[in-house]
Amino acid sequence: NAGVTQTPKFQVLKTGQSMTLQCAQDMNHNSMYWYRQDPGMGLRLIYYSASEGTTDKGEVPNGYNVSRLNKREFSLRLESAAPSQTSVYFCASSEVRLGPTWNQPQHFGDGTRLSIL
Amino acid sequence: GDSVTQMEGPVTLSEEAFLTINCTYTATGYPSLFWYVQYPGEGLQLLLKATKADDKGSNKGFEATYRKETTSFHLEKGSVQVSDSAVYFCALSDQDYGGATNKLIFGTGTLLAVQP
Repeated sequence: NAGVTQTPKFQVLKTGQSMTLQCAQDMNHNSMYWYRQDPGMGLRLIYYSASEGTTDKGEVPNGYNVSRLNKREFSLRLESAAPSQTSVYFCASSEVRLGPTWNQPQHFGDGTRLSIL
Repeated sequence: GDSVTQMEGPVTLSEEAFLTINCTYTATGYPSLFWYVQYPGEGLQLLLKATKADDKGSNKGFEATYRKETTSFHLEKGSVQVSDSAVYFCALSDQDYGGATNKLIFGTGTLLAVQP
């Protein structure tokens, strides 16, 4: 009963290094999301994928790229890490429905704590 | 655009005290409203939700009522426990009328610390 799995759980990078955060869900959800959590700012959406093969920018996409590899997996890439990207990153997924029950909750992973020196 | 405002923390209470965490929202459409809870070192978990005006969401002794007239969704619990210590996030859905996805807009979170 894994739900949403994120790897790695912790990472320290140097400025300018690149890295990919991995996310996989086993709930057969169509939509997947990447958020960052910073003190006093709640969670902010970086990118999302409404369905396999599509990705769209969220509120804070600069400095990031994403890949929806298949229905299960949605990765987040930092091409050239900057100290401002030090944060906790959360992946989430949700079912998609039409009609009155359209609004299904999102399910979150446990996060990746990323520090950039 | 849509936004969520919730009271700043931390909120410190003694066990069995009454809890209220205020949340107000701004939205142009007809959002659904959520409370998520984050325990230390974990991701967010859905606590409760309400999808239309006057709906009451409830779970684990927590309640919140969707008040359209005051654009509020305050979280309440009659008697808190030490195990309720966590960060609580109010959120609204950014409705996609095409039904393709349901993005969330979060408040900044409120840390609740319950002391024995």
